[in-house]
Amino acid sequence: AQKITQTQPGMFVQEKEAVTLDCTYDTSDPSYGLFWYKQPSSGEMIFLIYQGSYDQQNATEGRYSLNFQKARKSANLVISASQLGDSAMYFCAMREGEAAGNKLTFGGGTRVLVKP
Amino acid sequence: GAVVSQHPSRVICKSGTSVKIECRSLDFQATTMFWYRQFPKQSLMLMATSNEGSKATYEQGVEKDKFLINHASLTLSTLTVTSAHPEDSSFYICSAREGGTYEQYFGPGTRLTVT
Repeated sequence: AQKITQTQPGMFVQEKEAVTLDCTYDTSDPSYGLFWYKQPSSGEMIFLIYQGSYDQQNATEGRYSLNFQKARKSANLVISASQLGDSAMYFCAMREGEAAGNKLTFGGGTRVLVKP
Repeated sequence: GAVVSQHPSRVICKSGTSVKIECRSLDFQATTMFWYRQFPKQSLMLMATSNEGSKATYEQGVEKDKFLINHASLTLSTLTVTSAHPEDSSFYICSAREGGTYEQYFGPGTRLTVT
């Protein structure tokens, strides 16, 4: 079974509008974390936001916020006020606990294209 | 923030030769480094995890004799692709983690083309 699922392979968003990128995960480890990364065409992986499984509040970083619904095992990324520079691939990743070596497992990614 | 470099950024080699890719943490000590492979339009796949001073742990399906990983110091890990073939052409990305933290800092990646 997929550990990390991103169901949207690609999406368009109008500049200045908000966009939600879906991510669902599957783990039995009580201690885990969820990351979102942005990968522009240059290939570098840019860290956006992190949510730990025990964090009480949803993470926010500037225009990025994470809608963490633990019972549903979802960790959607919300980008507010989209900019042309937000066009990129976005990956959700899960870190499982020490027993799993704190490795990251990545979802398939969502390509976002911001239209002017 | 923490910076990870990779060298070279691009390399073209002939089939049958070996290629070494370096991954360095520039401003922190990386107790653990990870090597990923990414095919075009696909996600990152973890190849192996290396801890400083010990043997790398390879993911299922990754040939350890083909992808040699060395993590000789707290700031340097190397990936050597031995006897490269065209199917090894890919984007290789490393990441580094400081002890006691969860975040992985990624290098800019190395694009390998085997002709």
